[in-house]
Order: sequence, then structure tokens, then C-alpha cells
Amino acid sequence: GDSVTQMEGPVTLSEEAFLTINCTYTATGYPSLFWYVQYPGEGLQLLLKATKADDKGSNKGFEATYRKETTSFHLEKGSVQVSDSAVYFCALIISGGYNKLIFGAGTRLAVHP
Amino acid sequence: NAGVTQTPKFRVLKTGQSMTLLCAQDMNHEYMYWYRQDPGMGLRLIHYSVGEGTTAKGEVPDGYNVSRLKKQNFLLGLESAAPSQTSVYFCASSYSFEKSEQFFGPGTRLTVL
Repeated sequence: GDSVTQMEGPVTLSEEAFLTINCTYTATGYPSLFWYVQYPGEGLQLLLKATKADDKGSNKGFEATYRKETTSFHLEKGSVQVSDSAVYFCALIISGGYNKLIFGAGTRLAVHP
Repeated sequence: NAGVTQTPKFRVLKTGQSMTLLCAQDMNHEYMYWYRQDPGMGLRLIHYSVGEGTTAKGEVPDGYNVSRLKKQNFLLGLESAAPSQTSVYFCASSYSFEKSEQFFGPGTRLTVL
């Protein structure tokens, strides 16, 4: 079945370090891919998305490229800030599925000054 | 424009008690969803609705019922709460066009003793 696998956390970084959170997927057809972020005590917010192969989603300095050949959608940021500390979820939507999201387990990021 | 709101924010129940969680959205979205979030498991879909008067089962529907009597509201009911239903519950909504992103509410933290 369709699924999303994320690297396990927590990921602990110093401010200004480079961030990569790996995400791979298994899906029938051509899914759209998403990264959602959950700040402490809040709901999920859409961070970025990509709807077809080779698309690059970007927002707030974060980027992710839809790689069909490796079925991956890794999240990257060149220089993290303390305010980026949150839980990051990779997710997909398949065609004909009423936009139901299939989530990865989430990766907690902690950034220290 | 409040987006997606959820009531209540916190609730403590005893085993066997019943309660209803209310979700409201003001974006005129056709689709609405209820998820539960448990540590290390991401978000799992409980039930969803693709329009007023319609509901469908998601991944983990047992022990829950839902109703969508008005387009803007989606109710989640627990008829006889169990400790296994201790979780954080999120409501979300989306437009009906293919692969539209979902917008999330702030969540309800439910504890069943």
C-alpha cells in the first residue's frame, strides 16, 4: 500500500547548521508530496509542496525536490534557527483519494543556540 | 477568517463516558477530516467527509462516529471512551480539486482515565 518513511529523530543541531530530513515514499500513480511543520502546542501547517517529478518546493528557506527515480522528497535548509525547532511531517496525496493525506511518523528537530 | 477551529482544546474523560468534538471551517471547503496523533505514529485518519451529509471511514474508525449536517461543521463522537482513545485529535479541511492541500485546526488533547 501507499506509505511514507521518514528518518527517525530527534535531530539536534546548532544554530546555523545545515539540515537534511530524509523522506521516501511508496505510492501507486503519481502522488503530490508535502512537508508539514508542527510547532509546540500547535496544529500542522503546510511548509511546502511539490506536485510532479523534479518540482522543487520552497518556503522560509526550506527546500525539497520531488525525485521520482529515488521516490524521495528530502527536506533541506542551509542554516537553521532556534525558531525552526518543531516536528516535521512528510506526507503524500494520491490521485482519486479525496485528498487524504498519508503521513510519515514525523521527525523532531531541536536547534540550540 | 478563522480557518479551522476546534472545540474543546482539552478534555479529561472517565472510561465509558461520551463526548463530542466540534470542528468548524470558514473556507467553504467540501472535504473535512478527523485525525488522531499518537507518539511515533504520525497522524492517522479516523473518518472523513467529502460533502454535507456524507461520511466515510478512514484508517482507524473503530470507537468513533461522525456527522456532517452542515458544510462548515464536522463532529467527532466517542460513545464510550476507552483509555486507548487518549490522544491528540486534529481536524482538517480541503478544497475538492485534486490533490489540494489540507488546512489543520489547533487540536484537542483528550485524556481518558
